[in-house]
Amino acid sequence: NAGVMQNPRHLVRRRGQEARLRCSPMKGHSHVYWYRQLPEEGLKFMVYLQKENIIDESGMPKERFSAEFPKEGPSILRIQQVVRGDSAAYFCASSPDPGTEAFFGQGTRLTVV
Amino acid sequence: GESVGLHLPTLSVQEGDNSIINCAYSNSASDYFIWYKQESGKGPQFIIDIRSNMDKRQGQRVTVLLNKTVKHLSLQIAATQPGDSAVYFCAEIRENAGNMLTFGGGTRLMVKP
Repeated sequence: NAGVMQNPRHLVRRRGQEARLRCSPMKGHSHVYWYRQLPEEGLKFMVYLQKENIIDESGMPKERFSAEFPKEGPSILRIQQVVRGDSAAYFCASSPDPGTEAFFGQGTRLTVV
Repeated sequence: GESVGLHLPTLSVQEGDNSIINCAYSNSASDYFIWYKQESGKGPQFIIDIRSNMDKRQGQRVTVLLNKTVKHLSLQIAATQPGDSAVYFCAEIRENAGNMLTFGGGTRLMVKP
């Protein structure tokens, strides 16, 4: 049973470009969480999704950021018109049920130049 | 609650000693707590969890203690090894907050040989 898979592991984008981060949850997991982490800091919640539904997006900026978790395929975190301040590690976690242990992927390190 | 932009506190221990990492949580309604270990460049790794109806849980070399009266969580690592060097985060889940997994600020554990 493969763990949570995130790709790409590293992503470099120029200011103004779009960044697409992918997350494939563990098999049988229908709950996905996205977090952002700056160096030497904790993980900041962004969005919580179930299949085809956004449950909580209170941690996600209203502009430029969007997330989806379609019926088929991975969850996508999209950042449009990236700025230098978007540079961070973005982690995805999945769980089989709400309120149970969540397993993390290895993250995508986004660098905006 | 949400982690904030603080530099991580550091706990330095001698190899073979026991380590105690502490965490204060914010919401007395939290139902479920998880300790994660994060090594440099990797995603958080699940260590041990505990439900709010328990005050102690033991794993292999690790013990989690929960004190609901003072909203305090601790992780004890027995016979600390160099491989235990990492950043440790506590996380809480509140069912009345949509089962969102919220992280504390983290502690860096450094093991001296």
